[in-house]
Amino acid sequence: QLVLTQSPSASASLGASVKLTCTLSSGHSGYSIAWHQQRPEKGPRFLMKLNSDGSHIKGDGIPDRFSGSSSGAERYLTISSLQSDDEADYYCQTWGTGIRVFGGGTKLTVL
Amino acid sequence: QITLKESGPALVKPTQTLTLTCTFSGFSLSTSGVGVGWIRQPPGKALEWLALIYWDNDKRYSPPLKSRLTITKDTSKNQVVLTMTNMDPVDTATYYCARGSNSFDYWGQGTLVTVSS
Repeated sequence: QLVLTQSPSASASLGASVKLTCTLSSGHSGYSIAWHQQRPEKGPRFLMKLNSDGSHIKGDGIPDRFSGSSSGAERYLTISSLQSDDEADYYCQTWGTGIRVFGGGTKLTVL
Repeated sequence: QITLKESGPALVKPTQTLTLTCTFSGFSLSTSGVGVGWIRQPPGKALEWLALIYWDNDKRYSPPLKSRLTITKDTSKNQVVLTMTNMDPVDTATYYCARGSNSFDYWGQGTLVTVSS
């Protein structure tokens, strides 16, 4: 079964970097994913599509502070030079034959 | 500029059928490879994928909800319609439409649907 697992919460200080993790279920380590940002009371915003080799394509207007990487079944979103408006929920999303799947989301707090 | 906007009732009664419309611009659902999906989010909870329709009218549904969902498109109007039957209070959520056949790269603002008698 295709499942994405995310830690419920993360925190980091203003100006620092943070690395969020999304883990693909067993047998699905070759899958690509997407990262989405959802600020409080807003709709989701596409950040990037991330492949198993770490290559990624970002959405329109996504700053260079956002980057993606991969290792095995794990997919990472790194945000550098954290700003206050990076405080948001971050969701990973993947796709298989006939289905689309979201992770449970990580709530990022900027201290 | 790509935009999507959801519309539909804010309140439905239990057992009723919900009909939501996604009106989009900046792309065509007749272009090969393009899809539009529906995703929902109960208050305080995570995103949940519901359904997807492709440019060639192929359709995909979330297995747990498949029996209750129908997705259709009107290419001439740039609209995608989702119907969900037998609504229940647990279906209270913000419903989003988004462009994408795999990853969803443009999202609407969402519409809150409350199920209550």
